[in-house]
Amino acid sequence: DAGVTQSPTHLIKTRGQQVTLRCSPKSGHDTVSWYQQALGQGPQFIFQYYEEEERQRGNFPDRFSGHQFPNYSSELNVNALLLGDSALYLCASSLWDGQETQYFGPGTRLLVL
Amino acid sequence: AQSVTQLGSHVSVSEGALVLLRCNYSSSVPPYLFWYVQYPNQGLQLLLKYTSAATLVKGINGFEAEFKKSETSFHLTKPSAHMSDAAEYFCAVTYGYKLSFGAGTTVTVRA
Repeated sequence: DAGVTQSPTHLIKTRGQQVTLRCSPKSGHDTVSWYQQALGQGPQFIFQYYEEEERQRGNFPDRFSGHQFPNYSSELNVNALLLGDSALYLCASSLWDGQETQYFGPGTRLLVL
Repeated sequence: AQSVTQLGSHVSVSEGALVLLRCNYSSSVPPYLFWYVQYPNQGLQLLLKYTSAATLVKGINGFEAEFKKSETSFHLTKPSAHMSDAAEYFCAVTYGYKLSFGAGTTVTVRA
């Protein structure tokens, strides 16, 4: 049973560029959440997708957008990259069973130069 | 709003000693609480979760946590530390559909 997978594992971009990160949820899960983890900090919630719609959003600007596909996989897009966007981006998947335990992927390390 | 506070950003223990990581929560409703572990350059792995079924929760790798409503705490313990326990540990609480994480506690294990 495959867990949550993310691609790519590492990425280097320059300021002003755009980036797309990808996530495939754990088998049987229908919900995908994205988190940003800056160095030395806890993860911060970006948004969650369910039934191909954004269900909840954290305190992130509109430069951060996402998409969920019919097979439940998801993309995170970040436009007009800033140096401060350098972080580990984590995807988590879940299935509502009254508890919605989230399982995380290995993350994508983004460096903005 | 639901939130958690982890007391102590760094904990150093000797191999074989007790590991105790502290987490206090703030919640207006009965919370769902979680502990995750993050090894260097990896994602987060679920250690255990509290969902009101039992106050003492057993997790993987010999860890357990006790939910104490009177103290609003959910401390993580392991009776005997192993070198492989060196990692960063995060306490988290659900808030709506999202997880709100503490700042994390780094555990180092001395031989």
